[in-house]
Amino acid sequence: ELKVEQNPLFLSMQEGKNYTIYCNYSTTSDRLYWYRQDPGKSLESLFVLLSNGAVKQEGRLMASLDTKARLSTLHITAAVHDLSATYFCAVSNDMRFGAGTRLTVKP
Amino acid sequence: DAMVIQNPRYQVTQFGKPVTLSCSQTLNHNVMYWYQQKSSQAPKLLFHYYDKDFNNEADTPDNFQSRRPNTSFCFLDIRSPGLGDAAMYLCATSRDPSVLRVNQPQHFGDGTRLSIL
Repeated sequence: ELKVEQNPLFLSMQEGKNYTIYCNYSTTSDRLYWYRQDPGKSLESLFVLLSNGAVKQEGRLMASLDTKARLSTLHITAAVHDLSATYFCAVSNDMRFGAGTRLTVKP
Repeated sequence: DAMVIQNPRYQVTQFGKPVTLSCSQTLNHNVMYWYQQKSSQAPKLLFHYYDKDFNNEADTPDNFQSRRPNTSFCFLDIRSPGLGDAAMYLCATSRDPSVLRVNQPQHFGDGTRLSIL
C-alpha cells in the first residue's frame, strides 16, 4: 500500500528564515504534486514534478524531486507571513496525500 | 475565466436523507475527481472519472456514488448520510495525466461543506 509521509506536521518560523518540508513516499510514482490550502478554503496547485531531479520555483517556494530516494522537498526561502497555510504533497498513483504541514510564519 | 464550480457551498442534510453535490467545469478537462476532506485531515480521493470511465477507490464506502452525464458536469450522491460523512467535498479536474512529460495540475473548486443533522 502506498504511504506518503510529510514532515514536519507543524512548522512555526519567523519571517526571513528558510526551511524545508519533506515528503517521502513508499512506492514508485510518475508524478508528485504540491498544494497549498488556506484555512476553510479549497486546494491550490503549486507544483507538479514529473521526473528525477526536477526542480521548480515560484516566488519563495522551490520544489524538487528525487525519485530514487522517493523524496520530494518544498523549500521556503525568506518566509513571509502570506506563506502561512497548510502544504500538502500528493503522489499520483492514486492521488494519495501526505498528512500536510501546517506552516505559521511569525513577524 | 474558465473554472471549476461547486454547488452549493454549504449543504445541510438530515441523517439518512440522500443528498447530491454538484460540480461543473468550463476547462473541458477529461478527468474529474471527488475528494472528501474531514476537519484537520488530508483530502482523500473517493473516485474519479477518466472521460466516461468511472474509477472507484477501493475503500470508498458504497454509500457514495457518482454520475458524470457529460464532460462538464459531475455529481456526488450520498445515499444515506451518516454523521461521519460530515466533511468538505472537493471536486477537481485535470487533463489526461497519462501524457508523458506534461505538467497537468489539478484545478479545484471551492468545495462544498456538508453538515449532517
